[in-house]
Amino acid sequence: DQQVKQNSPSLSVQEGRISILNCDYTNSMFDYFLWYKKYPAEGPTFLISISSIKDKNEDGRFTVFLNKSAKHLSLHIVPSQPGDSAVYFCAASYDNNAGNMLTFGGGTRLMVKP
Amino acid sequence: DAGVTQSPTHLIKTRGQHVTLRCSPISGHKSVSWYQQVLGQGPQFIFQYYEKEERGRGNFPDRFSARQFPNYSSELNVNALLLGDSALYLCASSLVVSPLHFGNGTRLTVT
Repeated sequence: DQQVKQNSPSLSVQEGRISILNCDYTNSMFDYFLWYKKYPAEGPTFLISISSIKDKNEDGRFTVFLNKSAKHLSLHIVPSQPGDSAVYFCAASYDNNAGNMLTFGGGTRLMVKP
Repeated sequence: DAGVTQSPTHLIKTRGQHVTLRCSPISGHKSVSWYQQVLGQGPQFIFQYYEKEERGRGNFPDRFSARQFPNYSSELNVNALLLGDSALYLCASSLVVSPLHFGNGTRLTVT
């Protein structure tokens, strides 16, 4: 049973436009959510996180939105750049683990075209 | 500062064999976690260690074991390898409460 799902395996966006990556979860115990980016032959790199007490967190070009009632979060990248092309994973944790013992989604491959 | 380092980077083993993967955390990080990433899927949690004690274990069989040493480095051991154990094994380190920092992984192929 997948507790964290990324239903779009891939997404293609033009450079300069907005990229929106979506993630759904089923476990209401999750209280901390993160996004990681992964390039080929490298480990995942932390991008941004959000606690369940917030509904938005922003860091430069990256914004994460959390809708607890819908059990849905999204990552917005504005403006998108070719260097953003990578696989993006959303992840969740609970019991105040704050980013440890993560449950990951299956990933979305983002392609930003010049 | 050096990031999380894992060795070896690639490994080929035969079914039934044993494998040991190694991980050195970022300096100052006392927590080490292990994840398995099968091709086309997201990483799956295996173990977390903090101060040499197991803090969490994912849904993996007893063939998987790990330990953390006094210098906070860690080993992941897998016995009686199966074809399905072929995957990228990721090690991550963190402070007590902080996002995980991942290494580049060990690619294990079981034939």
